[in-house]
Amino acid sequence: SQKIEQNSEALNIQEGKTATLTCNYTNYSPAYLQWYRQDPGRGPVFLLLIRENEKEKRKERLKVTFDTTLKQSLFHITASQPADSATYLCAPSKRRGSTLGRLYFGRGTQLTVWP
Amino acid sequence: DTAVSQTPKYLVTQMGNDKSIKCEQNLGHDTMYWYKQDSKKFLKIMFSYNNKELIINETVPNRFSPKSPDKAHLNLHINSLELGDSAVYFCASSQDWGSTGELFFGEGSRLTVL
Repeated sequence: SQKIEQNSEALNIQEGKTATLTCNYTNYSPAYLQWYRQDPGRGPVFLLLIRENEKEKRKERLKVTFDTTLKQSLFHITASQPADSATYLCAPSKRRGSTLGRLYFGRGTQLTVWP
Repeated sequence: DTAVSQTPKYLVTQMGNDKSIKCEQNLGHDTMYWYKQDSKKFLKIMFSYNNKELIINETVPNRFSPKSPDKAHLNLHINSLELGDSAVYFCASSQDWGSTGELFFGEGSRLTVL
């Protein structure tokens, strides 16, 4: 199975700064990688997906990079706000095949943005 | 309208009891899942159904039995509950088995076994 490491369990930054979260994976190379946000007591919410042939993907203040050589994805939140405080989960998926659609989640990084 | 809804939100029960969690999605998706999130926050896949057919059974004890009466519903029945079953159980759905698989999660059902 895939081993997924997210840089640290907790990251604290000041409002307005850029938050950078890391997701490292081992074993197989995923066909794509997803990022989710989870608030306390809620289910994860999909944010972004990046495919293996894409280097970078952006959505408003969010940016995801995917380096298949390093086996790493970086998730950036620019101009961070206290409302961005949540746990962020990365989920590399397997290629199509017998285990089509199987997603493994990292433990997540809890981001706190303070004013 | 809630896209993926699961009931109950909270379950407190004694060891050895049997309990069920229900899930419904109104997104028209073909694929549904059960995930378990333990106290360490790991989110692990348990089962996946595609159009009522079991696709993934991730080495879950057979005390856990999913049932999909139609593609909009996936229920989870747990027999002989154990302390280690305490967790938050999330239902999720995705458009179909062949898509990139963005998951839509329910709000979770927190199970506490005493």
